[in-house]
Amino acid sequence: AQTVTQSQPEMSVQEAETVTLSCTYDTSESDYYLFWYKQPPSRQMILVIRQEAYKQQNATENRFSVNFQKAAKSFSLKISDSQLGDAAMYFCAYRSGETSGSRLTFGEGTQLTVNP
Amino acid sequence: ETGVTQTPRHLVMGMTNKKSLKCEQHLGHNAMYWYKQSAKKPLELMFVYNFKEQTENNSVPSRFSPECPNSSHLFLHLHTLQPEDSALYLCASSQDYGEKAFFGQGTRLTVV
Repeated sequence: AQTVTQSQPEMSVQEAETVTLSCTYDTSESDYYLFWYKQPPSRQMILVIRQEAYKQQNATENRFSVNFQKAAKSFSLKISDSQLGDAAMYFCAYRSGETSGSRLTFGEGTQLTVNP
Repeated sequence: ETGVTQTPRHLVMGMTNKKSLKCEQHLGHNAMYWYKQSAKKPLELMFVYNFKEQTENNSVPSRFSPECPNSSHLFLHLHTLQPEDSALYLCASSQDYGEKAFFGQGTRLTVV
C-alpha cells in the first residue's frame, strides 16, 4: 500500500518570502501522480499543482513549484513571494496511474501561516 | 467553484435520525469519492465509485450507506450515527488514471 508522509505539522513564513513544504511517499509502482492540495479556512480542497511521475521536469504553477525527486520519493512544494491568501492547510497526495478509479492517498497535512 | 456541489453545507443530526448527503458533478467525470476529514487526522477515503459501480469500501461502518444512481450524483445515507462520526465529509470526482480530483466544499456534520 502507498503511504504519504508530511513531517511538518506547522510552518510559517513572512509575507513575500519563500517557504518549502516537505512530502515523502512510499510506493512500489512506477506509474503514479502526485498532487498538492490547499485547504483554506473555507474547508474546500483546492488543487495547487500536479506532477506526473514519468516526467522529469518539475511542475510549476505561477508562484508554486515542486521539487520532485523520484529516486528519493520526495515531493516538496515551494511557494515563492508568499501572500496572506496562501495561509491554509496543505496536503500532499498520491494517486496510482495503474488502477482505474484509484484513490487519492493523503498525507497528514501542513498548516501554513503567513505573517504580515 | 470547482464544479462539484455538495448539499447541505452544514448538518446537525441526532443519533437516531436518518439523513442523506448529496454530491453532484457535471464535469463529465466517471469516478466519484467520499472522504471523511476529522480534526487532526489525514483525509480518510470512505468509498470510491467508478462508472456508477462501487470499487472500494474502506472498511466503513454500515451506518454509512453510499448510493450512486448515475455518474453525476453520489449520495451518502446516514443512519444511527455516533458522536465520533462528526466530521467534514468531502465529495470528489475525477476522470481516470491520475487525473486531478475536484472536491466539493464539504458537509460539516455534527452528531448530537
